[in-house]
Amino acid sequence: GIQVEQSPPDLILQEGANSTLRCNFSDSVNNLQWFHQNPWGQLINLFYIPSGTKQNGRLSATTVATERYSLLYISSSQTTDSGVYFCAIGGYQKVTFGIGTKLQVIP
Amino acid sequence: KAGVTQTPRYLIKTRGQQVTLSCSPISGHRSVSWYQQTPGQGLQFLFEYFSETQRNKGNFPGRFSGRQFSNSRSEMNVSTLELGDSALYLCASSFNGAYNEQFFGPGTRLTVL
Repeated sequence: GIQVEQSPPDLILQEGANSTLRCNFSDSVNNLQWFHQNPWGQLINLFYIPSGTKQNGRLSATTVATERYSLLYISSSQTTDSGVYFCAIGGYQKVTFGIGTKLQVIP
Repeated sequence: KAGVTQTPRYLIKTRGQQVTLSCSPISGHRSVSWYQQTPGQGLQFLFEYFSETQRNKGNFPGRFSGRQFSNSRSEMNVSTLELGDSALYLCASSFNGAYNEQFFGPGTRLTVL
């Protein structure tokens, strides 16, 4: 099956700093999503981005499908950005998740 | 449009019991997938239901089963509970499956004592 690797596994930021999270995948994809899991376990949709670039406020994402990676940018981080960020790849009939990047933003 | 709902939100069971979890997808979505999340294994795919049929299944024992009703609501059942079944169980709703954007419910946190 498809392999999904996320880096870094852990990240600590000072409030106001910027960061880049990476997702590498092993095969061509039809569906790539970024999620933020809050402390209560809810997975919140950030981007549906099988290719190209999207922006939503302080967050943006870029997927280069031909090179099999996606990047999530967080600018001017806030404490509410803390949590785990997952990249998820939709392949044949199922979605595979990476292990996530655990982000802690400290004031 | 209402989001994905899951009930119950929390459950405490003892070993050997069985449990049924429920998921109501977004209106118009026909695909419901189930995932188990544990600290050691991360998010693992259990199965997907589409139009009342199981379309795909992950690598879990037969104690884990599910079904989908004609209104797309889905249930999953775990029989003969083991301590290792303690986890957050998440369901995802999509229009047509893994190729489409997935929307997750809040999860059911199951604790097996």
